Amino acid sequence: ETGVTQSPTHLIKTRGQQVTLRCSSQSGHNTVSWYQQALGQGPQFIFQYYREEENGRGNFPPRFSGLQFPNYSSELNVNALELDDSALYLCASSGRREASYEQYFGPGTRLTVT
Amino acid sequence: GENVEQHPSTLSVQEGDSAVIKCTYSDSASNYFPWYKQELGKRPQLIIDIRSNVGEKKDQRIAVTLNKTAKHFSLHITETQPEDSAVYFCAALASGGSYIPTFGRGTSLIVHP
Repeated sequence: ETGVTQSPTHLIKTRGQQVTLRCSSQSGHNTVSWYQQALGQGPQFIFQYYREEENGRGNFPPRFSGLQFPNYSSELNVNALELDDSALYLCASSGRREASYEQYFGPGTRLTVT
Repeated sequence: GENVEQHPSTLSVQEGDSAVIKCTYSDSASNYFPWYKQELGKRPQLIIDIRSNVGEKKDQRIAVTLNKTAKHFSLHITETQPEDSAVYFCAALASGGSYIPTFGRGTSLIVHP
């Protein structure tokens, strides 16, 4: 198992509500990426944080936002939840050194929007 | 941006057979190609990766090959076992760029005992 942890494990929200998901990166890693994985699909990149700054963003609307803290843990916030936001949300940490950009995934948060 | 195509979407083999999953990528700047295995209800786990300065890499029953000219790479699993049953994802990343991997859509491998 990796040292990447996520909380909560499962979450049920109502359409229109807001949600915050949390991720603790593996020790020594300074980069956290967030992915949305719908059932039967590959992970879709949401955004990446490197040393507390957003380093890239996928095709997700502004209601998906994030933070990275000085200890490199991270949060994903989603506002105005929609039914299609129901998915497994994965974070992955990596080291960003030249020979160390392998990503290690957390166990994910299963979000259900009703 | 990068586009990664993965085939087949489903692969069914008998225990002991070999399995091959193929991916193509579009961005010639991509130079790092990891493969992930995701068992049902679990996180994707890195099983093998290859960098663009080599053409093949092996780890026991698993091997990955890379053809930079044709922009495709493949995962080879020999002597498959039922515990190899999972969804496998390929990805491509350009280390000189944003370090953001693009994933394929996944291959569901089913190994029948």
